[in-house]
Amino acid sequence: AQKITQTQPGMFVQEKEAVTLDCTYDTSDPSYGLFWYKQPSSGEMIFLIYQGSYDQQNATEGRYSLNFQKARKSANLVISASQLGDSAMYFCAMREGQKAEKLTFGTGTRLTIIP
Amino acid sequence: GAGVSQSPSNKVTEKGKDVELRCDPISGHTALYWYRQSLGQGLEFLIYFQGNSAPDKSGLPSDRFSAERTGGSVSTLTIQRTQQEDSAVYLCASSLVVLAGGYNEQFFGPGTRLTVL
Repeated sequence: AQKITQTQPGMFVQEKEAVTLDCTYDTSDPSYGLFWYKQPSSGEMIFLIYQGSYDQQNATEGRYSLNFQKARKSANLVISASQLGDSAMYFCAMREGQKAEKLTFGTGTRLTIIP
Repeated sequence: GAGVSQSPSNKVTEKGKDVELRCDPISGHTALYWYRQSLGQGLEFLIYFQGNSAPDKSGLPSDRFSAERTGGSVSTLTIQRTQQEDSAVYLCASSLVVLAGGYNEQFFGPGTRLTVL
């Protein structure tokens, strides 16, 4: 089974609208962390936001927030007031366990912001 | 300050040749990771180094792949007898410390695009 599933290969959103990028995960470890990264066309990976499995509140970082629904095993990224510069690939990733350091990535969602 | 750097940025090689990819992590970062990104795919973990501990090699796809980290800093990923399916972008990342139960932001380099003809 896929550890990280991103079901939206591509999305088109009007500038200034909010957008939700879906991510579901699969793990039996009670301790895990969920990450979102942005990859513009230039190729670099940019860390956006992190949610720990024991965190009580949804993570927020500026225009980014993570809609963490633990029972559903989903960790959707919400971008408010989208901007043209938000056009990029977005990857959801998971770290499992207390000491495991490697990240398991989803296949990504290509977001295109329309002016 | 300087981020993670990788060299070369692009490498074209012939099938069967060996290649070496280099990663310079951020100074002071004790953890170093190698990932591979095939065209249109997410990142695939290859290998992880943390301080003087034995590396986690669980993601290496075959024994043609190896990596070393000298002096706890620079790392070299070596692919022997390259195959066309090895064509991908190879990304290196580093992080400051490994916090049990916490998160360690991984800072990524720009990657090396490897093309095997």
